Amino acid sequence: SQTIHQWPATLVQPVGSPLSLECTVEGTSNPNLYWYRQAAGRGLQLLFYSVGIGQISSEVPQNLSASRPQDRQFILSSKKLLLSDSGFYLCAWSVGRVDTGELFFGEGSRLTVL
Amino acid sequence: AQSVTQLDSHVSVSEGTPVLLRCNYSSSYSPSLFWYVQHPNKGLQLLLKYTSAATLVKGINGFEAEFKKSETSFHLTKPSAHMSDAAEYFCVVSETGRRALTFGSGTRLQVQP
Repeated sequence: SQTIHQWPATLVQPVGSPLSLECTVEGTSNPNLYWYRQAAGRGLQLLFYSVGIGQISSEVPQNLSASRPQDRQFILSSKKLLLSDSGFYLCAWSVGRVDTGELFFGEGSRLTVL
Repeated sequence: AQSVTQLDSHVSVSEGTPVLLRCNYSSSYSPSLFWYVQHPNKGLQLLLKYTSAATLVKGINGFEAEFKKSETSFHLTKPSAHMSDAAEYFCVVSETGRRALTFGSGTRLQVQP
């Protein structure tokens, strides 16, 4: 069966420090991968999606970047965190088109920037 | 452009009573519509989806939703609430061919004993 792992689960970082959140998927090949951010009391905002190794699309210009070095690995990074980067980050994957299929989410990473 | 509005940020029901979570959408084309559930500090799980087949969609855990094009609504219902239903629920819309789903702001469901 397919599983998705996301870490770290919780992170407290000072402003200006770097960030690396990692996500891996098991049990499927060539998934579409996504990073979402959920701010307190809000819905989910799509940050990045990837349809293959090295292929990254950004939905919202911001302080973050994403990379996909392997088929089932998706990394969210920042060189210098801002206070506004605090939030709950969710990695997700889908097989094929997301508009008719299902998104499978990881457990999330809660980032607090102080 | 697509958008989704969840009409209630919080809903509180007693255990054993019906649940109604309201959602209205806006879409330029025939939309796909979803309901996802999120338990505290967890990822989201798909409850049900509408993709232009039957307008009454049944999902997991006894939930169902009805697509009403004339009202641009996709309300989520359950006949009898259970304590384990307490969670946040997200209505989601997508248009054919788009890569991005548009999430509503969520409705927090409380179930009182």
